Amino acid sequence: DIQMTQSPSSLSASLGDRVTITCRASQNINNDLNWYQQKPGKAPKVLIAAASSLQTGVPSRFSGSGSGTEFALTISSLQPEDFATYYCQQSYNTPLTFGQGTRLDIK
Amino acid sequence: QVHLQESGPGLVKPSETLSLTCNVSGDSISTHYWSWIRQPPGKGLEWIGYLHYSGNNNYNPSLKSRVIISIDTSKNQFSLQLTSVTAADTAVYFCASGGHSDWLDPWGQGTLVTVSS
Repeated sequence: DIQMTQSPSSLSASLGDRVTITCRASQNINNDLNWYQQKPGKAPKVLIAAASSLQTGVPSRFSGSGSGTEFALTISSLQPEDFATYYCQQSYNTPLTFGQGTRLDIK
Repeated sequence: QVHLQESGPGLVKPSETLSLTCNVSGDSISTHYWSWIRQPPGKGLEWIGYLHYSGNNNYNPSLKSRVIISIDTSKNQFSLQLTSVTAADTAVYFCASGGHSDWLDPWGQGTLVTVSS
């Protein structure tokens, strides 16, 4: 299985801050990396697909980058609705695997 | 707009079979791959497997011996069966579109299944 490792596991930030979450794959996954946002009691929602493709309806303050084994999700200016848990997921091969999650809360 | 909705018992006894159904509306179930994912309380996400109406399926090896995912095109729904459950199978179970070399979108709202006697 491909192991996905996110850092940090948790992060405290303020409104307007720029934050970056990283995701490392245990082997090359090209750009087959997706980012999800999950709020308490809700299903995950895809933000970024194929490493850098912003999904329809997702605010432009979210961006994704990387390829191979190193990836990043950046939020350029934190808004109140962005405080949530974020997961990366590889779709390079099965079993599909997720990172352990990064919990983003208000400082 | 595609909408997915899970249904099934919220409580299953140890050693019995967990059975859930995902109803798909707004799209034909013959169009895509369909996945099940689960999330134990307070923990991360685990992909269970996917199925295409053609019969192409793929299961997580960690669960493969206990999982069956099936599809009913006449009802536009797909199902999950997980046999011989234990407390470790207690989780919120989500259905989603995709999983075959792509991302998972959209997701159902999820349903909590507790394994307890």
